[in-house]
Amino acid sequence: DVKVTQSSRYLVKRTGEKVFLECVQDMDHENMFWYRQDPGLGLRLIYFSYDVKMKEKGDIPEGYSVSREKKERFSLILESASTNQTSMYLCASSRGEKLFFGSGTQLSVL
Amino acid sequence: DQQVKQNSPSLSVQEGRISILNCDYTNSMFDYFLWYKKYPAEGPTFLISISSIKDKNEDGRFTVFLNKSAKHLSLHIVPSQPGDSAVYFCAARGTGSARQLTFGSGTQLTVLP
Repeated sequence: DVKVTQSSRYLVKRTGEKVFLECVQDMDHENMFWYRQDPGLGLRLIYFSYDVKMKEKGDIPEGYSVSREKKERFSLILESASTNQTSMYLCASSRGEKLFFGSGTQLSVL
Repeated sequence: DQQVKQNSPSLSVQEGRISILNCDYTNSMFDYFLWYKKYPAEGPTFLISISSIKDKNEDGRFTVFLNKSAKHLSLHIVPSQPGDSAVYFCAARGTGSARQLTFGSGTQLTVLP
């Protein structure tokens, strides 16, 4: 079974803090993605990566950055957390068209 | 502008009956469509997919229909079971360099026992 692991299930941070969300996949997938899920808005793509050290902006990259130093690991970084970044964050990996998701990180920014 | 739309935020169906979840899209360049199911506190899981060259794909109780002229797809669940209660997301894949998935806003399905 494909396993996508997100380091934290729940996270509470203060406004202005730097936040790291970590994601690791064990299936040697080239492609990795970060989405956020908000009520009524579905899943929106933040950043994605098709290879190590490669990154592409998704639909809502503002306020975020990413890092992919190794194939299995894709990190999402909130440089200075704001309250409007309170959300469920979902990491996914894929080789073809099918995405495999982690369990998500519910981030609250106070 | 949402390219993939699920206009029904929620749907309630009696156990044993058919559930029909709908999805509309605007981009005629989408070449592949997928449905994902999501339970609370879990990540979405893949359910069923269809290529744009087909109009129907069936997998057990789940069937997806694609009407390209109307830019509409639907997911049929027959018979519905209480365990099917979840949020269902429709997703579409672009072509060329933009091959990432675009998701709809989701439909909460509740199957009543």
